[in-house]
Amino acid sequence: DIVMTQSPDSLAVSLGERATISCKSSQSVLLRSDNKNYLSWYQQKPGQPPKLLIYWASTRESGVPDRFSGSGSGTDFTLTISSLQAEDVAVYHCQQYYSTPTFGQGTKVEIK
Amino acid sequence: EVHLVGSGGGWVQPGGSLRLSCTASGFSFSDYEMNWVRQAPGKGLEWISYITGSSSPIYYADSVKGRFTISRDNAKNSLYLQMNSLRAEDTAIYYCAREVLWGKPTMIFDYWGQGILVSVSS
Repeated sequence: DIVMTQSPDSLAVSLGERATISCKSSQSVLLRSDNKNYLSWYQQKPGQPPKLLIYWASTRESGVPDRFSGSGSGTDFTLTISSLQAEDVAVYHCQQYYSTPTFGQGTKVEIK
Repeated sequence: EVHLVGSGGGWVQPGGSLRLSCTASGFSFSDYEMNWVRQAPGKGLEWISYITGSSSPIYYADSVKGRFTISRDNAKNSLYLQMNSLRAEDTAIYYCAREVLWGKPTMIFDYWGQGILVSVSS
């Protein structure tokens, strides 16, 4: 299985500041035949199920605010929240679907 | 509006069985691949099973293969997970999750149920 490793495990960011989360895969999740990175990001607030934010590494799901953006290719990916809002406090998970789906351990985002 | 409502969880002793259900509304259930994903206490998410709209093919994670069975009843808009030979390490919140409709399997999960708590202990 592909191992997904997120960093940091948690971070505290001031309101309005940028939050950046890294996700690394143990092997490339870029499929050459369609030039797509099989990587998604989810947001999970306390007591709630995960919510899809980003797929194909950088495509924002409908309704997701544009302060959320995804980037990267191959084995290294980043989720950026450009201006942290109070409602963004959550755990963020990356997931690869290049092969049997696996998730990162999650990154907890809090307000500083 | 899409809704996925889970039921059937609870406490069970090791070696016991449980059947989880997930009832869908707000979309054409038979058109969508469905999955089960679980989250053990304080842990990350773990995909465990997949089923197409026509119920074939079906896939399982190695951790549950041979013990869990996924199924669906499109007439009832329902997804099921029969869990047998339960172990302490199966203790988790279980989520049903709908796949994005993409024309091919993707394992991108665009809607999730609220979660079903399963506790396995003696």
